[in-house]
Amino acid sequence: QVHLQESGPGLVKPSETLSLTCTVSGGSISSYYWTWIRQSPGKGLEWIGYIYNRGRTNYNPSLKSRVTISVDTSKNQFSLKLSSVTTADTAMYYCARGTYDSYGYYTDYWGQGILVSVSA
Amino acid sequence: QSVLTQPPSVSGAPGQRVTISCTGSSSNIGAGYEVHWYQQFPGTAPKLLIYGNSNRPSGVPDRFSGSKSGTSASLAITGLQAEDEADYYCQSYDSSLSGYVFGTGTKVTVL
Repeated sequence: QVHLQESGPGLVKPSETLSLTCTVSGGSISSYYWTWIRQSPGKGLEWIGYIYNRGRTNYNPSLKSRVTISVDTSKNQFSLKLSSVTTADTAMYYCARGTYDSYGYYTDYWGQGILVSVSA
Repeated sequence: QSVLTQPPSVSGAPGQRVTISCTGSSSNIGAGYEVHWYQQFPGTAPKLLIYGNSNRPSGVPDRFSGSKSGTSASLAITGLQAEDEADYYCQSYDSSLSGYVFGTGTKVTVL
């Protein structure tokens, strides 16, 4: 059974960089589309982006200038960096495993999420 | 504001059938991109409910079904149960935005 766990600081100051890591267990990180999704308090879901094929990425165009997703296959981890954060970036951040097949792209395993607040 | 619009809420009595619509446009659902559905209980991560418009992952009851037509998709819950009370989101791809998008979300209440 695949398990994902997010980790990182729960509080980030405005203008700084948010950094999160997702540790994957129960399966290899060498395949699939390793994804970050966020959910602002009381709001809907927003796709941030994914990394696949050992380093190729696809980002949400609205966040692309600030987002970097990377992977460390030796640790079975992938990471999110979001720069120049503002209070609008306060959200629950989820990592997830994405599958891309004949049925399209969808996320079939999710971490429990980590709440990141942006505040001075 | 999402490009996939869902009703904020739907409700039904136990045993009834409810449907949740996901209305898009010619740049997403209408362009042929697949629709997926997720179920989210308060304080927990979303869970994949339907993939590829109408396919259920292993373990999802057959009370849940999905369909797609034109620029819209629907999730139906038949034989509504108290445990189905949750938020539901659709997801697809939008070519105008060049990215994946989620619907606005629908809260299902069991009366």
